[in-house]
Amino acid sequence: DAGVIQSPRHEVTEMGQEVTLRCKPISGHDYLFWYRQTMMRGLELLIYFNNNVPIDDSGMPEDRFSAKMPNASFSTLKIQPSEPRDSAVYFCASRSTGSSNQPQHFGDGTRLSIL
Amino acid sequence: QKEVEQNSGPLSVPEGAIASLNCTYSDRVSQSFFWYRQYSGKSPELIMSIYSNGDKEDGRFTAQLNKASQYVSLLIRDSQPSDSATYLCAVKGRKGGATNKLIFGTGTLLAVQP
Repeated sequence: DAGVIQSPRHEVTEMGQEVTLRCKPISGHDYLFWYRQTMMRGLELLIYFNNNVPIDDSGMPEDRFSAKMPNASFSTLKIQPSEPRDSAVYFCASRSTGSSNQPQHFGDGTRLSIL
Repeated sequence: QKEVEQNSGPLSVPEGAIASLNCTYSDRVSQSFFWYRQYSGKSPELIMSIYSNGDKEDGRFTAQLNKASQYVSLLIRDSQPSDSATYLCAVKGRKGGATNKLIFGTGTLLAVQP
């Protein structure tokens, strides 16, 4: 079975540019999570969706960040305009329905560098 | 105070020894606790979950939970060089929509020396 698929794996861009990260969750999973990982702050939840609906975006750092899930098999995280402090690894994870103790399955992440 | 705290390490142990990784959390009523392993440059993967006070064993791994002390630990017996990774402690939110959220510690780097 295919796992969570993220693209691109690496992104290097200049400050001020728009960045779009993409995620395809595991088929049948109806929860999708976007995380950001840095050395200083560790792994932080940015936003999560249930059945394509954003449920909690309290972790989104500021208005420059937005996320969408137009259908059950695709989600995007967009940063516009990007800043050097946005440099991090961004992970997408998905989880099946049922108990909230079900494990979250992580994608390989997108390593983002803003110059 | 951080919600989930871990010593960043590195924790260095010789091959074959027991590695002990520790985690404390601030929300007294948290109910569910998880240990994820993350190899360098890779994504986190779940290795253990624990919900009740006491010990839970799975192969070489034992998770220990003490809710009164708000303390979770992971023991790795017969440590192998392949266990060298960062271990992330995660605590699940306790009510409403927060029960779908995991709060992660910053992780402890374990280095098993051959």
